[in-house]
Amino acid sequence: GAVVSQHPSWVICKSGTSVKIECRSLDFQATTMFWYRQFPKQSLMLMATSNEGSKATYEQGVEKDKFLINHASLTLSTLTVTSAHPEDSSFYICSAREQGQIYEQYFGPGTRLTVT
Amino acid sequence: QKEVEQNSGPLSVPEGAIASLNCTYSDRGSQSFFWYRQYSGKSPELIMFIYSNGDKEDGRFTAQLNKASQYVSLLIRDSQPSDSATYLCAVKTWTDSWGKFQFGAGTQVVVTP
Repeated sequence: GAVVSQHPSWVICKSGTSVKIECRSLDFQATTMFWYRQFPKQSLMLMATSNEGSKATYEQGVEKDKFLINHASLTLSTLTVTSAHPEDSSFYICSAREQGQIYEQYFGPGTRLTVT
Repeated sequence: QKEVEQNSGPLSVPEGAIASLNCTYSDRGSQSFFWYRQYSGKSPELIMFIYSNGDKEDGRFTAQLNKASQYVSLLIRDSQPSDSATYLCAVKTWTDSWGKFQFGAGTQVVVTP
């Protein structure tokens, strides 16, 4: 149980275009989802926290107009990277917390974004 | 100062030996602590978590927490080549209703046959 999927697993896009990444909890209801970014040989950096039905809370330094997060249902959150640039190339990972859980968060497999 | 600090390694461990990983954190309000394993190109997978001072054992893994000294460690007994990965320490603080995870940069472990 507690499976989180992400789609796509990798994507290449041209500079200036937008890319949408989906994060789904497959067998549980996720009241909270987290979006992380990881550059090579660096740690996971939390970008934002989203709760179903409300606006996402962004970490300091993360542009909310550039990284649009929508958590429309208890099983789906999306991250849209708008007007992507090469410096946005990274590994994006979502995680989800099941309703009622306080310790566990389940990670998705990640999406590797390359902007050319 | 980074909020969660780990030695980057690599930590080279002979097969069958004990690997010892350390993590220190700066926020005294931190309440729960996690160890994740991450293989190259993959997302992290939870090994175990601990929230009380002392030791917690799960199979070949033992987590140790000392809140007074603000450190948490992970021991891997009988290390296997499949344990070669980057180990991430994560600290959770209840700064808001849903809590926030802060990750260390990770320690790379290499188990040599």
